[in-house]
Amino acid sequence: DQQVKQNSPSLSVQEGRISILNCDYTNSMFDYFLWYKKYPAEGPTFLISISSIKDKNEDGRFTVFLNKSAKHLSLHIVPSQPGDSAVYFCAASPYGSGGSNYKLTFGKGTLLTVNP
Amino acid sequence: ETGVTQTPRHLVMGMTNKKSLKCEQHLGHNAMYWYKQSAKKPLELMFVYSLEERVENNSVPSRFSPECPNSSHLFLHLHTLQPEDSALYLCASSQIAGVTDTQYFGPGTRLTVL
Repeated sequence: DQQVKQNSPSLSVQEGRISILNCDYTNSMFDYFLWYKKYPAEGPTFLISISSIKDKNEDGRFTVFLNKSAKHLSLHIVPSQPGDSAVYFCAASPYGSGGSNYKLTFGKGTLLTVNP
Repeated sequence: ETGVTQTPRHLVMGMTNKKSLKCEQHLGHNAMYWYKQSAKKPLELMFVYSLEERVENNSVPSRFSPECPNSSHLFLHLHTLQPEDSALYLCASSQIAGVTDTQYFGPGTRLTVL
């Protein structure tokens, strides 16, 4: 059973517009969330994280929103640039809930394409 | 070399072969990880090492045997694998073991088991 779901396998947006990538989770013990970006033939690169004590975290063009009641988080990229074209992975951990301190549960990823 | 490197980048092996994957990190980190990404499946944690001691084994079959001789090197020894073990194997490192410390990934080894 998949505990972290990224239901959109792909997303295409125009350069300069907003990209919104969504992630849903089922495990109520998850309280720490991360987004990674992956280019072809490279390993994933950490983007941004959020703890469940917050509902928003911002880093430059990237903002992550967390809705605990809906068990949903989203990554907003504004403005989108062609170099943002990559696969984006959502990951979650029960870090503060007494779960494993080491294990991240990943979604399958969403391929973002930003068109010039 | 900088960051996290993995060799080989591609590996094809038969089910009776024994091979090893190598990971090296040049970041001065104390924790190292092995992940597996099968086709159309999420990235899945296999093992975690902290200061050369294994601290997590995520129910991985014994045909996968990790080794961490020092904090810069991590190996994954493979023997009598099955075709369903074909996947991308990713290594990562972090300053300390734990999800709140940023993990830096290598490019992965694409393994095909015939």
